Amino acid sequence: KAGVTQTPRYLIKTRGQQVTLSCSPISGHRSVSWYQQTPGQGLQFLFEYFSETQRNKGNFPGRFSGRQFSNSRSEMNVSTLELGDSALYLCASSFSGDTYEQYFGPGTRLTVT
Amino acid sequence: AQTVTQSQPEMSVQEAETVTLSCTYDTSESDYYLFWYKQPPSRQMILVIRQEAYKQQNATENRFSVNFQKAAKSFSLKISDSQLGDAAMYFCAYREYGGATNKLIFGTGTLLAVQP
Repeated sequence: KAGVTQTPRYLIKTRGQQVTLSCSPISGHRSVSWYQQTPGQGLQFLFEYFSETQRNKGNFPGRFSGRQFSNSRSEMNVSTLELGDSALYLCASSFSGDTYEQYFGPGTRLTVT
Repeated sequence: AQTVTQSQPEMSVQEAETVTLSCTYDTSESDYYLFWYKQPPSRQMILVIRQEAYKQQNATENRFSVNFQKAAKSFSLKISDSQLGDAAMYFCAYREYGGATNKLIFGTGTLLAVQP
């Protein structure tokens, strides 16, 4: 069974640009969550999608947005990039909202210059 | 709001020895889940062990066990017979009970080094 995949794995962007990251969950999983990991702030929850609906959102500015498609694949978008957005972005999937085991992807390393 | 605290930024253990990583949390809920995740260098985060707050028995997974003290809001991880492959960043995490969300609240992590 294929694991959670994230693309691209590495990305370099310039301040002011926008970026879209993709996450493909494990087959059959309907819940996808996104996290930002930085040395200074640690792991912070961005948002969660379940059956194409956002059902929880972390404390991030509106520049951070996401969506989920009917096949459960999810994308997150960051507009008007800032240097502080440089981070490892992780996504995690789980079968449903009732299970508590989440499987993480390898992450996308975003560098903003 | 719930918080998770890991007071040990770094720990070191000799191969084959036992090490305990500490975690405390704060919540006003009576039911919830607690987890320990492992993040090896440049590798994916994986679940090590989980504990349901309504269970009094401490969870155990092979060489990994927890000491769950609900009243003290403490959730420590014990690694027995440490192996070189145990070297990683370990995160303690909290999740609300029930199916309304999978949101995890993480501690700041403990970097574990295993000395041969």
